[in-house]
Amino acid sequence: EIVVTQSPGTLSLSPGERATLSCRASQAFGGGYLAWYQQKPGQAPRLLIYGTSSRATGIPDRFSGGGSGTDFTLTINRLEPEDFAVYYCQHYDDSPPWTFGQGTKVEI
Amino acid sequence: QVQLQQSGPGLVKPSQTLSLTCSISGDSVSSNNAIWNWLRQSPSRGLEWLGRTYHRSRWYDDCAVSVKGRIIIKPDTSKNQVSLQLSSVTPEDTAVYYCVRGGAGTTAGLFDSWGQGTLVTVSS
Repeated sequence: EIVVTQSPGTLSLSPGERATLSCRASQAFGGGYLAWYQQKPGQAPRLLIYGTSSRATGIPDRFSGGGSGTDFTLTINRLEPEDFAVYYCQHYDDSPPWTFGQGTKVEI
Repeated sequence: QVQLQQSGPGLVKPSQTLSLTCSISGDSVSSNNAIWNWLRQSPSRGLEWLGRTYHRSRWYDDCAVSVKGRIIIKPDTSKNQVSLQLSSVTPEDTAVYYCVRGGAGTTAGLFDSWGQGTLVTVSS
């Protein structure tokens, strides 16, 4: 089972700034099967990025994902007020169990 | 577009059974390209995958070790629903429970559609 660890726990930024979130896997994996989810208060998580760098349907292009091996990043360019939320990374594949990182909160 | 609508009680007494239902629209519970999962989220455990059911010429299900022996996840093809039953609950089972769709093959664990969540509190 691959465990992912996120950093930092909290990121304090202003609208218009760039956010860079990190996700580190306990071991390298192939296929780039790394996803990012966004969760706003009182809402379910929403899929943002899959396959390390592919945006899910309807996700604006200010969100981008990258990385390889064990180190992955989510970058949010020009933060909008609606981007302040908690972000989770997850390694996925065809075999459970699946686990999530502990989350990074992006706050104003 | 897939929509998952959850229903069920928000308060369950200790030792009793938690029961939730997820009504699926825009997809079929019997789809060979989807997997129907239940996850939960709590401050102490974070996001936790509980179990799944799916159809690939026959029905399959499996679950997390943490809830093995207490969980049943069942499809209802006549109503296009999937249900969760978690027995012998304790206060540690207090969480927001989510019905979630996964894909097929290597995207089985990629969760692209989520229900609205149901806060279930275990308390007498």
